[in-house]
Amino acid sequence: GENVEQHPSTLSVQEGDSAVIKCTYSDSASNYFPWYKQELGKRPQLIIDIRSNVGEKKDQRIAVTLNKTAKHFSLHITETQPEDSAVYFCAASRAMNTGFQKLVFGTGTRLLVSP
Amino acid sequence: DVKVTQSSRYLVKRTGEKVFLECVQDMDHENMFWYRQDPGLGLRLIYFSYDVKMKEKGDIPEGYSVSREKKERFSLILESASTNQTSMYLCASLGSSYEQYFGPGTRLTVT
Repeated sequence: GENVEQHPSTLSVQEGDSAVIKCTYSDSASNYFPWYKQELGKRPQLIIDIRSNVGEKKDQRIAVTLNKTAKHFSLHITETQPEDSAVYFCAASRAMNTGFQKLVFGTGTRLLVSP
Repeated sequence: DVKVTQSSRYLVKRTGEKVFLECVQDMDHENMFWYRQDPGLGLRLIYFSYDVKMKEKGDIPEGYSVSREKKERFSLILESASTNQTSMYLCASLGSSYEQYFGPGTRLTVT
């Protein structure tokens, strides 16, 4: 089955710096790669996703890149702000026989942005 | 807005008790999931359901069962709770856009 590895487990940056979180996956059939953000005491929420037919996607200060050949994808946050402090989870999935996408999550990265 | 609710935010149970965790979604989603979240291990899939009365095992189903009698409700059952089932349990439902909507979580402590 799919295996997703995520690094680093913790990341501390100064406000205004960039942050990069990297994930690798094992199943070459995976075709959907979302990123979820979980603030302290709150539920995970989708912040950005990318499909396998796209190499990069941006949404304001966040971007995701995908390298299908190397089977890795990354989350990039520019001009970090204290409210970006959270745990970030990557995930990979492919369509199951029933048609839906079963997600396999990485182990999470705790990002701390210091003022 | 999609709303996914869970019956309890915090729960304390004794070893050997039968435990029910309830999840309800209001968006008529067909697919629902139960995960457990542990530090350093991320979110691990316990069970999922793709239709009423349909269920499949996820990656860590041992010690758990599920029930889906109505489309909006997906229940996780711990037949005989053990201390290693102390964890945060998250329910999610899946929309047509592939986005999973999570509930607020139930922090279960088994003593």
